[in-house]
Amino acid sequence: GENVEQHPSTLSVQEGDSAVIKCTYSDSASNYFPWYKQELGKRPQLIIDIRSNVGEKKDQRIAVTLNKTAKHFSLHITETQPEDSAVYFCAAYSGGYQKVTFGTGTKLQVIP
Amino acid sequence: SAVISQKPSRDICQRGTSLTIQCQVDSQVTMMFWYRQQPGQSLTLIATANQGSEATYESGFVIDKFPISRPNLTFSTLTVSNMSPEDSSIYLCSVGTGSGELFFGEGSRLTVL
Repeated sequence: GENVEQHPSTLSVQEGDSAVIKCTYSDSASNYFPWYKQELGKRPQLIIDIRSNVGEKKDQRIAVTLNKTAKHFSLHITETQPEDSAVYFCAAYSGGYQKVTFGTGTKLQVIP
Repeated sequence: SAVISQKPSRDICQRGTSLTIQCQVDSQVTMMFWYRQQPGQSLTLIATANQGSEATYESGFVIDKFPISRPNLTFSTLTVSNMSPEDSSIYLCSVGTGSGELFFGEGSRLTVL
């Protein structure tokens, strides 16, 4: 089955700086890569996603890049704000298995 | 996206008892899933709730421990049976679009004493 690794497990940045979270996956059949943000005590929320036919996608201050050859994808948050503080999960979806596999999570702390 | 309601939102239970968590969706959905999130951990898929047939369980999860019902396209239940403190977790219902997007209920935080 799919295996998703995520780094770093914790990340502290100063407000206004950029944050980058990286993930790798193992199953070359995975074709959809969402990112979820989970604030303390709340449900995971989909914040951005990318499909395997696209190399990069941007939505305001967040962007995701995908390197299919290397089987890795990254989340980039620019101009970080305190409200960006949360746990972020990457995930990979394989249409064949119709299953989403999550990474281990990154706790992002934005220091005002 | 669908509105997903879960209940209870939290509960404290005694060892050896069972608890049933309900998940109601405001529209018909084909794919419903149950996830477990242990404290400080990631999300682990327990099973896919199939309408009209037995749920499909992931490795490490069995029907006797986590029986699931899916009587129609808008409702599912997960029972955590014969609970032990190791079952203390957040249990999340989710619905899928069929192309990978998942949307989650608010979760049910279970504490087993």
